[in-house]
Amino acid sequence: DGGITQSPKYLFRKEGQNVTLSCEQNLNHDAMYWYRQDPGQGLRLIYYSQIVNDFQKGDIAEGYSVSREKKESFPLTVTSAQKNPTAFYLCATNPDSSGGPQHFGDGTRLSIL
Amino acid sequence: KNEVEQSPQNLTAQEGEFITINCSYSVGISALHWLQQHPGGGIVSLFMLSSGKKKHGRLIATINIQEKHSSLHITASHPRDSAVYICAVLGSARQLTFGSGTQLTVLP
Repeated sequence: DGGITQSPKYLFRKEGQNVTLSCEQNLNHDAMYWYRQDPGQGLRLIYYSQIVNDFQKGDIAEGYSVSREKKESFPLTVTSAQKNPTAFYLCATNPDSSGGPQHFGDGTRLSIL
Repeated sequence: KNEVEQSPQNLTAQEGEFITINCSYSVGISALHWLQQHPGGGIVSLFMLSSGKKKHGRLIATINIQEKHSSLHITASHPRDSAVYICAVLGSARQLTFGSGTQLTVLP
């Protein structure tokens, strides 16, 4: 089945630790995106990548880092510098960089203890 | 003021009712998306439209570019339609700006 796999679905980490969220896709899409969702707010863009080995900051990139070494993978690291990391994180893809993301993963809920 | 405003924030309906969710935006856009988010969190794209109207099954989406307004209609609603419905607009920066969503609950 073609799709986007985010793992794990739930993640708990102690304050001060870095944590990496996985996003893998087998859709052969060029563009990949990371969004953060907080209660009562719209999704906000953290980082996006239009091609391998290239990525751009979104609206709320501070405290996060990404890599795009392979077309199918776009991991997001939540660093200890992120002041309020507890949130729901969604990965998305699009065949190209036009039109915005149209395919979404099931998300990872990160809780900092 | 948010660039994308949805109303209502919460909506409860009886099975079979006709449902309308509204989306207003304040910026110029090239397209508008309607998305559905299920309780588990996964999001599915329902429609992308830039003019007029689109229909898929019991779902209908309309957009009025001049009035900067879009509506999502659900006919003959069913409990399985219960979800969060999200409006998102594609602006000049080729990125999506999302509304905060409408929580729909359809009671049997």
